[in-house]
Amino acid sequence: DGGITQSPKYLFRKEGQNVTLSCEQNLNHDAMYWYRQDPGQGLRLIYYSQIVNDFQKGDIAEGYSVSREKKESFPLTVTSAQKNPTAFYLCASSISSSSYEQYFGPGTRLTVT
Amino acid sequence: DQQVKQNSPSLSVQEGRISILNCDYTNSMFDYFLWYKKYPAEGPTFLISISSIKDKNEDGRFTVFLNKSAKHLSLHIVPSQPGDSAVYFCAANRGGAGSYQLTFGKGTKLSVIP
Repeated sequence: DGGITQSPKYLFRKEGQNVTLSCEQNLNHDAMYWYRQDPGQGLRLIYYSQIVNDFQKGDIAEGYSVSREKKESFPLTVTSAQKNPTAFYLCASSISSSSYEQYFGPGTRLTVT
Repeated sequence: DQQVKQNSPSLSVQEGRISILNCDYTNSMFDYFLWYKKYPAEGPTFLISISSIKDKNEDGRFTVFLNKSAKHLSLHIVPSQPGDSAVYFCAANRGGAGSYQLTFGKGTKLSVIP
């Protein structure tokens, strides 16, 4: 079954700790994306990657970092510099960066206390 | 500045009736529009899309209408079913440079009452 997996589904961390969220896809898609959703808000783009070893900042990249060492994987690190890290994080992919339709994983709910 | 607006946070409809979800946009550079459906604690699922060169696209019970002059699009669900109860996000994409980015509205929560 092709798809996007995100793990874990729920994650709890203490303030001041870095945490890495996993995103893996087996759709052979070139482009991958990270979004953040807050209650009552739409999705906001954090980072995106068009190809392996390349990534670009989205609208709200401050306090986050990513890597794209493999086509299938696009992990997101939420650093201690992110002021409001508690949110629902969604990973998505598309066939290419010029493909309009993005397909989403199930999400990770991060709670930082 | 919110470029994609869904002004109704929620909508309730009786089963079997039509659901109409609305979306307005301000950026005239947007040329492709998508609707996503999202259940709680899950990722959004792509539902239907429309290019700016069209004014209507239909897929089964779902139809999206685009009025470019009014910068308005709507999603019609006929007939509505209880399983349609979810949050619906409108998203817009501008072609060319920066085509990677989808701009999302805040969503409309649809409740279909049996």
